[in-house]
Amino acid sequence: GAVVSQHPSRVICKSGTSVKIECRSLDFQATTMFWYRQFPKQSLMLMATSNEGSKATYEQGVEKDKFLINHASLTLSTLTVTSAHPEDSSFYICSASQSGNQPQHFGDGTRLSIL
Amino acid sequence: ELKVEQNPLFLSMQEGKNYTIYCNYSTTSDRLYWYRQDPGKSLESLFVLLSNGAVKQEGRLMASLDTKARLSTLHITAAVHDLSATYFCAVDKETSGSRLTFGEGTQLTVNP
Repeated sequence: GAVVSQHPSRVICKSGTSVKIECRSLDFQATTMFWYRQFPKQSLMLMATSNEGSKATYEQGVEKDKFLINHASLTLSTLTVTSAHPEDSSFYICSASQSGNQPQHFGDGTRLSIL
Repeated sequence: ELKVEQNPLFLSMQEGKNYTIYCNYSTTSDRLYWYRQDPGKSLESLFVLLSNGAVKQEGRLMASLDTKARLSTLHITAAVHDLSATYFCAVDKETSGSRLTFGEGTQLTVNP
C-alpha cells in the first residue's frame, strides 16, 4: 500500500520550455503533498507544501511564479516549471501523506535536464 | 529552526565490518526517519522511530533513538557491498504538518 507515482521519470528539453510533472497517490487519498528538489550530491530541499483545494505554501527562496503547483484533487498534484533554464536542471521528488500528521510516501522522482 | 546533522558524510568500509552513522537534531521532534537512496533513484523508507529508546532492526541495519540526547544512530553490522548507498535521516513535527527536515546524507561505500 501507499504507492506514489511520479511522471515523467526523465525530461530533457530546451531552455525556455515549460515542464509539467505529475504526482499521483495510487491507493490512498493524499490531503498533503510535498515537492522537493535535489541537486547532485546534496540532500533534499523542500520547495513547497500543497494541501488539496488550497494554495501551496512555498519555502523561502522558491519562486512561486516559476514553480507552479496545483493540487486539485486528493490523488493528484502537479508541479510546472515555467520557462525552464539550465539552472533548473535537478532531480524533483514528490511525496504524499494522507493527512498533515501522517508519514510521507515518496514518488520515484523526475530528472529534469534543460539544455 | 530545526537542523539535522549527520556524521560522517562519507564512509568507506570493508565488507564484514561494523559501523555507525549518527544523526543529531536541534529541537524536539515527533518522528525520526531513516531513508536509503541509490544513485539516480528516489528515497526508500527504512525505519520510522517514534519514541525515546525505540530500536528497530531490518537485516544488517539497526536504528535507535534517544530523544533526550536528540540523537539517532544507524548501525551497520557485517557490511556487504549491497548496502552501498546514501543514507538520510529526517525529522518532522506533527504541529508543522509533517514537514520533513533532512540531514545532509551519508554516502556509504562498502568495498569487497
